[in-house]
Formats: sequence, structure tokens, C-alpha cells
Amino acid sequence: GAVVSQHPSRVICKSGTSVKIECRSLDFQATTMFWYRQFPKKSLMLMATSNEGSKATYEQGVEKDKFLINHASLTLSTLTVTSAHPEDSSFYICSPSGAYEQFFGPGTRLTVL
Amino acid sequence: GENVEQHPSTLSVQEGDSAVIKCTYSDSASNYFPWYKQELGKGPQLIIDIRSNVGEKKDQRIAVTLNKTAKHFSLHITETQPEDSAVYFCAASKGGGADGLTFGKGTHLIIQP
Repeated sequence: GAVVSQHPSRVICKSGTSVKIECRSLDFQATTMFWYRQFPKKSLMLMATSNEGSKATYEQGVEKDKFLINHASLTLSTLTVTSAHPEDSSFYICSPSGAYEQFFGPGTRLTVL
Repeated sequence: GENVEQHPSTLSVQEGDSAVIKCTYSDSASNYFPWYKQELGKGPQLIIDIRSNVGEKKDQRIAVTLNKTAKHFSLHITETQPEDSAVYFCAASKGGGADGLTFGKGTHLIIQP
């Protein structure tokens, strides 16, 4: 499978601050990037879908102004959680995808105090 | 949209025995069914997948079966080992990288030594 990295792997921030999560697809050109969120002991929930160079499409209930997604290239996407609050604490996972394959990053654990 | 049901939520088996996890899906247009293994604090890892043009696929101790008529698919792990202990997720999509996956709620597989 593809080698996917996420940075940071863990982040703790104060309420009201913004956090940027970076996802790199090291050996795979992702025409589509999915971002998922996973709460403890729960399944993965799709947040948004973005195609390289285009605006992201958000799932119902996900605020586009709060979760800013940039998919600037086929190997890099970022998710910025703006004005984070404790309820945003979660495990965020990027998922680069091509025509027939979908891979997952190792995840970023966000804790908002 | 698609709805994926997975059961059981927890499965405990003796080392060396077989484990079976079952999923059903609702959207008859879905044609791609991957299975993921997720260890604590890590992103999901693809272990096997099947497309709707085949009924069964096997990779060493792991096999997946698909019944399109009944809209259900199953994961079979034989000769289970302690390292098989993890959470397993089934998923479904309409195929390829264009559509995000809809995940089941996960099965916590526990291998008893």
C-alpha cells in the first residue's frame, strides 16, 4: 500500500486556538483526499472530500468554516480546525485515494483543553 | 445514502479457532467492499477487499465472501493468532476513489491464548 504520513501525530491545544494537520502521500498521487473523524470506540465518520485544486465537499453537519481543507497538490492536504473547542477533540484521519484504491494515514489525536 | 451494519460488536475466540465477522449494506449500487484492521491509536490498515464482480477472495488466513443478492459480505480469519486481536471495520462504496467509504461500526476481535 501507499506510504501516508500525518503531522502532528498528537496535539494538545487551548480552546479557541487553531490547529493545522498535515497529510502527505509519500509515494502515491491522490486525486481525491478524504478526511475522517473518529471518536473513542466509534467508527470512522467521513467529514469531507476534496479533489486536488478544488474546494472540498463537506458532509452534512460538518461546518466548512470550522474545518478548513486545502488539497494543494496530489501529495499534500491539510485540515485546519479553527477556533477549536473541547468537543472537537477526536482522532482525525486522512485518506488519499486514486481511481481504485484508498489508503489511510496513521491519524492525529487532537485534544482541546 | 449507504448504510452498513456490522456484527458482532465484540468477538472472542480461542487462539487457533476461526473468526467470522458479517456486514450488510443497503445501497445496491455499492460495488467495492474493503475490510480494515485498526490497532489502538493507529489508522486503519487495509487487509483485504472484494469487488462486486467476484464472490470470494482469499489471502492466506484471510478470506472475504460477497453475496450481492442478499447484500451482505463476510470476513473469515482462520487459525487465529494473538496478533489478530484488533478492531475490524467493513466498508462499502460505489467503487474507486471517487466515493468515500461508508464504514460499519467495527468489531473488537479478541484472541484468547
